[in-house]
Order: sequence, then C-alpha cells, then structure tokens
Amino acid sequence: GAVVSQHPSRVICKSGTSVKIECRSLDFQATTMFWYRQFPKKSLMLMATSNEGSKATYEQGVEKDKFLINHASLTLSTLTVTSAHPEDSSFYICSARSTRVDRQGITYNSPLHFGNGTRLTVT
Amino acid sequence: RKEVEQDPGPFNVPEGATVAFNCTYSNSASQSFFWYRQDCRKEPKLLMSVYSSGNEDGRFTAQLNRASQYISLLIRDSKLSDSATYLCVVSYGGSQGNLIFGKGTKLSVKP
Repeated sequence: GAVVSQHPSRVICKSGTSVKIECRSLDFQATTMFWYRQFPKKSLMLMATSNEGSKATYEQGVEKDKFLINHASLTLSTLTVTSAHPEDSSFYICSARSTRVDRQGITYNSPLHFGNGTRLTVT
Repeated sequence: RKEVEQDPGPFNVPEGATVAFNCTYSNSASQSFFWYRQDCRKEPKLLMSVYSSGNEDGRFTAQLNRASQYISLLIRDSKLSDSATYLCVVSYGGSQGNLIFGKGTKLSVKP
C-alpha cells in the first residue's frame, strides 16, 4: 500500500488563485520531505527540501515566496503555489524519507517514497 | 560533469531480451543508491536499493562498484510491462542527505 499520500491528485484553478498540495507519510516519520516539479517528457526537478520544524531549502531559481512550504510535523508537508499562473501548470510530486543514525554516528537515509503526484492546470 | 549520469535511451528491445542500464556518479562520498521506475505521467516507484554486494530481485539484478563509481541494473526476460523510465538515484549521508537523480533511461519492450 501507499506509504506517502498526496492530495489532491488533480486540480484546475484560475490564474491568480493559490493552490495547496498536501503530502502525508502514512506509516513512518518523515524527517525529510522533498518537492519536485516535472514538465511533460522531462525529468524530475527538485524544487525544495524540507526538514520537520525548520525552513525549507529551495533550489536555485525556485521562488520561496511563490512556492510556500510548511513541514510542521513528521507526517505532513504542504506546498502552496501562490498566485498561480498558466506557466505553473505542471506535475508536482512529493517524496519523503526517514533517517537513522547508527552507533558510529553514520547517518543512513531510507529510500524515498513518492506521493502519487498532483497535476496542476492553471487556466 | 553531471553528478549522476545515465544513458537516456530509448532502449527498444523485444520481449524476452536482457537489457542492462548503467549509471555513474561523481561524488565518492555517496552512501545510498537506488533504482526507481517511473511510468508515463506517474510518480516514481522504488524498484530496488543497491548494495555493495549486489542484489537480485526476481528478474532484476543491481550491482554497485564503488571503486568505479558505477551502478548497473540488469533486467532479464523483459516483459511488456517493464516499459518505463528507470531512474538512478544517489544519496549522500547527513541529516540533509543530498539526493541526486539521474535523468532516467527510457525502456520500451516490444512484442
């Protein structure tokens, strides 16, 4: 079953409105969540990395005031696309993972678990 | 040099063929390695983690060569349903855990 739930799966909105996308880890504590954007026939592009309880780290070229990320708990992160425009139409995907540290202090990251994506269309 | 490089393909193979994908990574500090598959217009799904000793899951075999900084995925007896894009993902350690995606290799299995 899905371990990361993303909602909504599809949204159509008018230009100028804001859209919130939720990403939930269902059966594990997601210390880190990632948000990606994927245009048709293109590879995943990382937008930002968020760790629970701290500010998100945005990739170069991604406007933090336009793509608001909140990671308030270990199971929920949200991405809000503010004042959406047609060029923001894309497939947005979140992923989540947990982290463990062994006795030697080495950090290991679990595989990523992806949400099922949100197809955003801005008209 | 890109951090994770993959041959973009497409690889067009007949059913039953064996196909191999390669991936090279540039940062020797990389600690975790994964193969994901992504179907058209869908999210990536974990196919398998890649361990130093190599690992096999049914028709899929993954190998890691740390000395050469090279990862491979072998698919035997390919099925039509194997048609997808295969993503190589490399992760560094640390709490941030830098994740690098390859651009993916497209596989098309024909009847």
